[in-house]
Amino acid sequence: EADIYQTPRYLVIGTGKKITLECSQTMGHDKMYWYQQDPGMELHLIHYSYGVNSTEKGDLSSESTVSRIRTEHFPLTLESARPSHTSQYLCASSDQGYSTDTQYFGPGTRLTVL
Amino acid sequence: AQKITQTQPGMFVQEKEAVTLDCTYDTSDPSYGLFWYKQPSSGEMIFLIYQGSYDQQNATEGRYSLNFQKARKSANLVISASQLGDSAMYFCAMREGNAGGTSYGKLTFGQGTILTVHP
Repeated sequence: EADIYQTPRYLVIGTGKKITLECSQTMGHDKMYWYQQDPGMELHLIHYSYGVNSTEKGDLSSESTVSRIRTEHFPLTLESARPSHTSQYLCASSDQGYSTDTQYFGPGTRLTVL
Repeated sequence: AQKITQTQPGMFVQEKEAVTLDCTYDTSDPSYGLFWYKQPSSGEMIFLIYQGSYDQQNATEGRYSLNFQKARKSANLVISASQLGDSAMYFCAMREGNAGGTSYGKLTFGQGTILTVHP
């Protein structure tokens, strides 16, 4: 059972606003990930981190940024939201020391930018 | 080229029947892992089952089993005794590379299959 949390679950915001999507996990996992998913579509990796002070861009280009100052916390920030950012954002974490390295996901944040 | 292909956009099954969801993959890496996730309409991703490329036996987890055919590069999910609560989107995903590598852990997802269970 995974303990990974995301807030807010739903967010409707106007164009140009700065937003931060929160993600935290209590499992002590080293690795954390952010995925973007449009409705009914596959997930695309936008950011990942292998530990504190480590962040990398994923396969899908994104205008968002991330930080990893604490093991348990991996927030995603959009400096100026646009309608094209409307999507679901899913956070995940995995244990680097475990052989399957299974990723466990949070409940997601559904973002709508008007 | 698509690394993970799920060719069934939608599948229907009668309650209590078994259903197979198809997944084929493409990789030249000898070490990889295959995962299946369930995504209900609420949006969260629920891990179901894992198969490693070197595993000799097909993985099983309760009503879920993975039909792993390495030579054909397929990793089909079999759900036995379907229940109404199984109605959801199902994603196949692959992790390539060896543990400790810089890209280890990244998942590539297929397009998903929507499963509908009829009473």
